[in-house]
Amino acid sequence: KAGVTQTPRYLIKTRGQQVTLSCSPISGHRSVSWYQQTPGQGLQFLFEYFSETQRNKGNFPGRFSGRQFSNSRSEMNVSTLELGDSALYLCASSLFGGTGANVLTFGAGSRLTVL
Amino acid sequence: TQLLEQSPQFLSIQEGENLTVYCNSSSVFSSLQWYRQEPGEGPVLLVTVVTGGEVKKLKRLTFQFGDARKDSSLHITAAQPGDTGLYLCASSYNQGGKLIFGQGTELSVKP
Repeated sequence: KAGVTQTPRYLIKTRGQQVTLSCSPISGHRSVSWYQQTPGQGLQFLFEYFSETQRNKGNFPGRFSGRQFSNSRSEMNVSTLELGDSALYLCASSLFGGTGANVLTFGAGSRLTVL
Repeated sequence: TQLLEQSPQFLSIQEGENLTVYCNSSSVFSSLQWYRQEPGEGPVLLVTVVTGGEVKKLKRLTFQFGDARKDSSLHITAAQPGDTGLYLCASSYNQGGKLIFGQGTELSVKP
């Protein structure tokens, strides 16, 4: 079965611009989580969506937002980009989410560079 | 604030050597997962441990979960160049879909 698909894989933006990243989960998976990965901070949780509702949110400013559609596809948006937003953005899907032993399948990520 | 501490951060060894990576927390884990990430890819789940004292084996990889469920280790026997990658431990601390990751251990196995 197809894995988690993230688009675009690479993108370059300048400070002040905004960006939208897309994630298509594994077919049948209803939970989508987003993570930011940087060399300094490692992998940090952004938010989780389940059945079009945000169920968990990490400690990121309001410039970071997301949504989930009825087909479970998800998008995340970052507005007013800053240099520090340069990172690998990873999307992960799971069947239900919300369990103690949550099994996530990650996509390959979207590499964002902010100049 | 829940924190996962991994050690060592970097490890460079020769093919055939053994190694151990550690993951510790001041809080009790509900469960603990180990992932491996290769350059240009997302993390891939290796194992989930749930019960204190649990030991799981995956070929040359042995995963242990501490009795108190506050620590875990990953031991690789006779490392191979294909084991090269970033090893990450993660736990949800019962917060559903939110995983907290350790900083990772960058492993390089030289032929």
